[in-house]
Amino acid sequence: EILLTQSPGTLSLSPGERATLSCRASQSVNNNYLAWYQQKPGQAPRLLISGASSRATGIPDRFSGSGSGTDFTLTISRLEPEDLAVYYCQQYGNSPVTFGPGTKVEIK
Amino acid sequence: QVQLQESGPGLVKPSETLSLTCTVSGGSISGSYWIWVRQPPGKGLEYLGYVQPNGNTNYNPSLMSRVTISVDTSKNQFSLNMNSVTAADTAVYYCARDKGGRAFDVWGQGTMVIVSS
Repeated sequence: EILLTQSPGTLSLSPGERATLSCRASQSVNNNYLAWYQQKPGQAPRLLISGASSRATGIPDRFSGSGSGTDFTLTISRLEPEDLAVYYCQQYGNSPVTFGPGTKVEIK
Repeated sequence: QVQLQESGPGLVKPSETLSLTCTVSGGSISGSYWIWVRQPPGKGLEYLGYVQPNGNTNYNPSLMSRVTISVDTSKNQFSLNMNSVTAADTAVYYCARDKGGRAFDVWGQGTMVIVSS
């Protein structure tokens, strides 16, 4: 089973600032099948990025994903107040699918 | 567009079986993987398994002995059964879709299941 580690645990930034979230895998993720999800309080997760860098339908272009192998990054170029959420990475290239523990983004 | 809706009891007694159904609307159940994920209160996401329309399944090894996922294509539904539940199985249970290599792009709203006597 692939273990995913996310850092930092919590990120506190002001609107307009850039957020950089990291996800590291314990072994290489097949086909770079790494996804990012946003979960707002009381809501289901929402897919932001699949295949490490492909934005899902309807996701604003301020969200971008990069990386390959074992190291992946989600960048939010200009934070907005509605970006308050927990962000999870997930690998779905190796069985079983696993999720990281999440990064909480707080807006100052 | 495709929408998913979970249904089932919100309260299950310890040692009994948790049973949930996910209804797929706005599209066909064919051609995708149908997923169950859960989230204990205040914690992260845990993958439970998937079923394909032909009945093929894949389970998280940590729960494989207790979990069964099945599909009823005639009703556009798929189901989760988890036996011998304990308080540790208390969670929000989500159903989701994977079109194959595209991650979980559609999610239900989730249903809270509490295990308690």
